[in-house]
Amino acid sequence: SQTIHQWPATLVQPVGSPLSLECTVEGTSNPNLYWYRQAAGRGLQLLFYSVGIGQISSEVPQNLSASRPQDRQFILSSKKLLLSDSGFYLCAWSVVRNQPQHFGDGTRLSIL
Amino acid sequence: DAKTTQPPSMDCAEGRAANLPCNHSTISGNEYVYWYRQIHSQGPQYIIHGLKNNETNEMASLIITEDRKSSTLILPHATLRDTAVYYCIVRGEGSEKLVFGKGTKLTVNP
Repeated sequence: SQTIHQWPATLVQPVGSPLSLECTVEGTSNPNLYWYRQAAGRGLQLLFYSVGIGQISSEVPQNLSASRPQDRQFILSSKKLLLSDSGFYLCAWSVVRNQPQHFGDGTRLSIL
Repeated sequence: DAKTTQPPSMDCAEGRAANLPCNHSTISGNEYVYWYRQIHSQGPQYIIHGLKNNETNEMASLIITEDRKSSTLILPHATLRDTAVYYCIVRGEGSEKLVFGKGTKLTVNP
């Protein structure tokens, strides 16, 4: 069966520091991969998605970037974190575009 | 993607069926209805989805009205572990994103 892993579960970072969150999927090949963010009291917002290695689509302009160096690895990065980057970051995968997306347990990021 | 409307909260007794309604009156022909739930501090969990026919799986049943303007998620025998926020989402066939609203906070009481 397929599993998705995200780490770390929680992270506290100072403003201006860099960020790297990693997501890996097991048990499937060439998945579609997604990064979402859930700000406090708000719904999930799609940040990036990828349909293959090196292919990244951005949904909203922001201080973050994404990369997919391997088939089942999706990384969310920032060179300099802002206070507004705080939130709950979720990675998800699907077999193909029109199939359900399955989420990891997320990373809770606090910026001080 | 069409917008959905859900009641903000509902209560259900343990062991009884939980029926969660969702209105999506502007849904178009190629849009699917998806249901997810989110237990506090966890990622959303996929429950079920459908286009026009009723659907059932090991977790729940999805009843979609004939005009497709509303649907109901049914948890046949609710348990305390079903306490969560339930999201009804309408997603276009070609859309990559899931747009989560505020959902319904379901509380299952002993």
